[in-house]
Amino acid sequence: DTGVSQDPRHKITKRGQNVTFRCDPISEHNRLYWYRQTLGQGPEFLTYFQNEAQLEKSRLLSDRFSAERPKGSFSTLEIQRTEQGDSAMYLCASSPGGQETQYFGPGTRLLVL
Amino acid sequence: GNSVTQMEGPVTLSEEAFLTINCTYTATGYPSLFWYVQYPGEGLQLLLKATKADDKGSNKGFEATYRKETTSFHLEKGSVQVSDSAVYFCALTTTDSWGKFQFGAGTQVVVTP
Repeated sequence: DTGVSQDPRHKITKRGQNVTFRCDPISEHNRLYWYRQTLGQGPEFLTYFQNEAQLEKSRLLSDRFSAERPKGSFSTLEIQRTEQGDSAMYLCASSPGGQETQYFGPGTRLLVL
Repeated sequence: GNSVTQMEGPVTLSEEAFLTINCTYTATGYPSLFWYVQYPGEGLQLLLKATKADDKGSNKGFEATYRKETTSFHLEKGSVQVSDSAVYFCALTTTDSWGKFQFGAGTQVVVTP
């Protein structure tokens, strides 16, 4: 069990650019979640996958955001045409399923200039 | 919908003092309750959890009891150390929320020598 990993850990980009983040969950965990955390706040749910199927998306996830989990393994979160308001920590978590404990990665800190 | 309310921080304590962080919740389904801790520059780590009423979760000297009658899950530690300085998040997930977590805003704890 190597834990949840995320890449990159930090990303600085200019407004209008596209960025993509990767999350590798704990192997054999069926569920994968993406959250966004802004300074001084708790994580907010963005979307989640059961295996390769994206089952729910928050209204926080605008059309500029897209997430995939091909083959039910790693996941990517892409933000197109970034805006300064997208600056946040993006957290990935995985769980065996249901109301199980979620295990979080270290996060990707995004700064949009 | 689901919501979690935590006491605001920062909470500043001297080493060996008693710590309490209040957490109350509202939930549409039957919740499981969690406390996560976030150390500076790191991701969220599970501290403890409770999945049914009157259960007590405990870990590393921290305890919290699931109180259905008061919809609370207060975190306590009898004697804090400087290494307990972190941000603590109360969270819940319910049977009808597909496992996604609802987090509180977090409470920063600062322990001084």
